[in-house]
Amino acid sequence: AQSVAQPEDQVNVAEGNPLTVKCTYSVSGNPYLFWYVQYPNRGLQFLLKYITGDNLVKGSYGFEAEFNKSQTSFHLKKPSALVSDSALYFCAVRDYPGGYNKLIFGAGTRLAVHP
Amino acid sequence: DGGITQSPKYLFRKEGQNVTLSCEQNLNHDAMYWYRQDPGQGLRLIYYSQIVNDFQKGDIAEGYSVSREKKESFPLTVTSAQKNPTAFYLCASSIFWIRVEAGELFFGEGSRLTVL
Repeated sequence: AQSVAQPEDQVNVAEGNPLTVKCTYSVSGNPYLFWYVQYPNRGLQFLLKYITGDNLVKGSYGFEAEFNKSQTSFHLKKPSALVSDSALYFCAVRDYPGGYNKLIFGAGTRLAVHP
Repeated sequence: DGGITQSPKYLFRKEGQNVTLSCEQNLNHDAMYWYRQDPGQGLRLIYYSQIVNDFQKGDIAEGYSVSREKKESFPLTVTSAQKNPTAFYLCASSIFWIRVEAGELFFGEGSRLTVL
């Protein structure tokens, strides 16, 4: 079965510093990987995805993610964090058992950016 | 603007009552989903539907029911059989599953259900 793991419950970073939110995956076949962000009491917003091609994927709000097949990782990164980046971040992998498409989410990582 | 509308945003229920959460989309998406979110547990899939009049159980379907009579609507009923219904419920949609981009889900703003 497809799965993702987010090993950190919370990541703290100072504003202006680079940030990394970690995600590892376990899949059979080629992985389709996603990152979403959630602000308090809101729905999830799509940030970026990896389907195939370049290992470095660029997304919304200056975020990017690096796909590493040998380490089965898909870490989210940003060169310079903003206080407004503080939110809950979810990694997800596409699963399609029996032809039915769905996303499997990690437990989420709370990002706190301090001024 | 196109999007997904969930209602109500907040809902209170007494034990033993059934409640129905509404989800409507005008994105012309074929697939729709219901997820439940609890603190520290991420999102867990309740039900999903790829086309009208068809739906599949997700990982935690017990105590829930859905219908998909129209393409744009996918209501979720939380029944009295659901032992711990207090949670944040999220509805999502996507394009037809067979396309690679189908993995990208569009979410509503959520409905917070509290059982008194």
